[in-house]
Amino acid sequence: AQSVTQLDSQVPVFEEAPVELRCNYSSSVSVYLFWYVQYPNQGLQLLLKYLSGSTLVKGINGFEAEFNKSQTSFHLRKPSVHISDTAEYFCAVMNRDAGNNRKLIWGLGTSLAVNP
Amino acid sequence: GAGVSQTPSNKVTEKGKYVELRCDPISGHTALYWYRQSLGQGPEFLIYFQGTGAADDSGLPNDRFFAVRPEGSVSTLKIQRTERGDSAVYLCASSSAGLPYNEQFFGPGTRLTVL
Repeated sequence: AQSVTQLDSQVPVFEEAPVELRCNYSSSVSVYLFWYVQYPNQGLQLLLKYLSGSTLVKGINGFEAEFNKSQTSFHLRKPSVHISDTAEYFCAVMNRDAGNNRKLIWGLGTSLAVNP
Repeated sequence: GAGVSQTPSNKVTEKGKYVELRCDPISGHTALYWYRQSLGQGPEFLIYFQGTGAADDSGLPNDRFFAVRPEGSVSTLKIQRTERGDSAVYLCASSSAGLPYNEQFFGPGTRLTVL
């Protein structure tokens, strides 16, 4: 079984400041890792994913995340945030060895509020 | 091209009633997932279809919940004898099949409110 813990439910930050949203996971099997964003009144959108290879992955809108296997973490970062980054961010994992069943296991989400 | 669509966008019903929620996946996507997102929570897996068959229904909370995908395209999530605890946003996602991974594309969701 897998589980995902997002360590901060809310993160307030000023515009142009850096931000880190933390995600830890627990799994008895190898996993793929994802970050999704949900803007107000919109559907979930994939920000970035880690499947294999380089542990630093870059996504859309200037976000990046680093996979740390020893710490079972996949923290999301952005060096300078904009007001438009205000949204709910979800970390999720997927069992690599589940064949075609690619169900996602999700964290509770982190609400990022960017203030002017 | 068209994305995943879900209807209705909002559904208000009374406790004990029956509801159906519809998902139209992206054309050609053989995999379809249903998730439920309660207020303040992350999405929670309900059921996965590969083609017409439910390959994994381990997330359905009880036997009041049922889903079908008779022609391998549109799917309907059915909830009998609704309870107030069923209130949530029900999300549908679809993806093409194949390994190692294909992105799931999400619909906007159906917000279900049980009074």
